[in-house]
Amino acid sequence: GAVVSQHPSRVICKSGTSVKIECRSLDFQATTMFWYRQFPKQSLMLMATSNEGSKATYEQGVEKDKFLINHASLTLSTLTVTSAHPEDSSFYICSAPGRGLEKLFFGSGTQLSVL
Amino acid sequence: GQQLNQSPQSMFIQEGEDVSMNCTSSSIFNTWLWYKQEPGEGPVLLIALYKAGELTSNGRLTAQFGITRKDSFLNISASIPSDVGIYFCAGRGYGGSQGNLIFGKGTKLSVKP
Repeated sequence: GAVVSQHPSRVICKSGTSVKIECRSLDFQATTMFWYRQFPKQSLMLMATSNEGSKATYEQGVEKDKFLINHASLTLSTLTVTSAHPEDSSFYICSAPGRGLEKLFFGSGTQLSVL
Repeated sequence: GQQLNQSPQSMFIQEGEDVSMNCTSSSIFNTWLWYKQEPGEGPVLLIALYKAGELTSNGRLTAQFGITRKDSFLNISASIPSDVGIYFCAGRGYGGSQGNLIFGKGTKLSVKP
């Protein structure tokens, strides 16, 4: 199946700093990628849709200025958590639709801990 | 909005037993996907279903797209310890975008050797 690589897998940062998470489609091009947030023992919550060459589409309640998304190429989308606070600590997961656009393949996730 | 109920919430079974979990939606779906997630990892796609009544297997896993288009089940036969994880169903309604998958809350499976 299609492979989506996410990096880093784990990051610890100080409050007030910014953290960038990368999501790459390794063997296919993805004009669209998705970013999710997952709290412990909870399901995945869609945060935003990343669109190559255009602005991301954010879900209701997700702060655009807080979670900056850039999709500069057909294989890379980045999520930057700006001015991170402890409440931003969570598991962030990206995904991309594979060929046929019907299946979503997920990255391995990034565990963010803000001190 | 669309809601998706997944049950059971958790299961504790003995190795070798069969497992069954299901998801029901409040509206019609055109796609059902089943994922498995292990701790600290992203979900891994197990089975994808696209047609009402479709029955698809992947090794010891079998999933079906319900005839009513509002439900799906996943069966695991002869469970083994490595089946441990959280299983999520996900569905997409008609007119939904590629990202507009609705996820169930997951079924946590524990297998006792």
